[in-house]
Amino acid sequence: DTGVSQDPRHKITKRGQNVTFRCDPISEHNRLYWYRQTLGQGPEFLTYFQNEAQLEKSRLLSDRFSAERPKGSFSTLEIQRTEQGDSAMYLCASSPTGQGYTFGSGTRLTVV
Amino acid sequence: DQQVKQNSPSLSVQEGRISILNCDYTNSMFDYFLWYKKYPAEGPTFLISISSIKDKNEDGRFTVFLNKSAKHLSLHIVPSQPGDSAVYFCAASTTFSGSARQLTFGSGTQLTVLP
Repeated sequence: DTGVSQDPRHKITKRGQNVTFRCDPISEHNRLYWYRQTLGQGPEFLTYFQNEAQLEKSRLLSDRFSAERPKGSFSTLEIQRTEQGDSAMYLCASSPTGQGYTFGSGTRLTVV
Repeated sequence: DQQVKQNSPSLSVQEGRISILNCDYTNSMFDYFLWYKKYPAEGPTFLISISSIKDKNEDGRFTVFLNKSAKHLSLHIVPSQPGDSAVYFCAASTTFSGSARQLTFGSGTQLTVLP
């Protein structure tokens, strides 16, 4: 197993476009998390899945954001009608027990 | 309201000396604390953690100290090595949805170890 995989690594999009990111967690990890990191800040929690169920969402996750984890395997994070303020690093992490997250390398989104 | 604060954006130390990174928190419900290291273009990597029932945890060159009364924790790296140069994030957690834990991160401290 090669760890948590995120795709793409970089995405540049025009304001108003929709984007989708993918995360493949470590295969035996049933918990999956999305975080967002902006320049000079630490990662901020967005949402959490246990298997296919989305159990927690942050206030940061506006209506333009949606996350899914069909069949409890990979997860997707979609941002609709992107805004410049959405520019950030989007990090995915997985965990078997809720402790000791393993993070992926992230998807860097730039909205122009 | 920033619940986890790392007040030093940067720290420089000489190779072989001790690096001390500090972190303060405000939420008394936090019961688990972690340190992550992050290199550019990579995700954060777990370094060491401590439960609120302990005041010290050691792993090789890394030691984390927790002072619950002061709501303060620190990471000591001894001896510091150039490869330790990275951004260090302090994180704190509370339980929710059973055993799952949401992490609240500080803003990070850039450590530079000079050869």
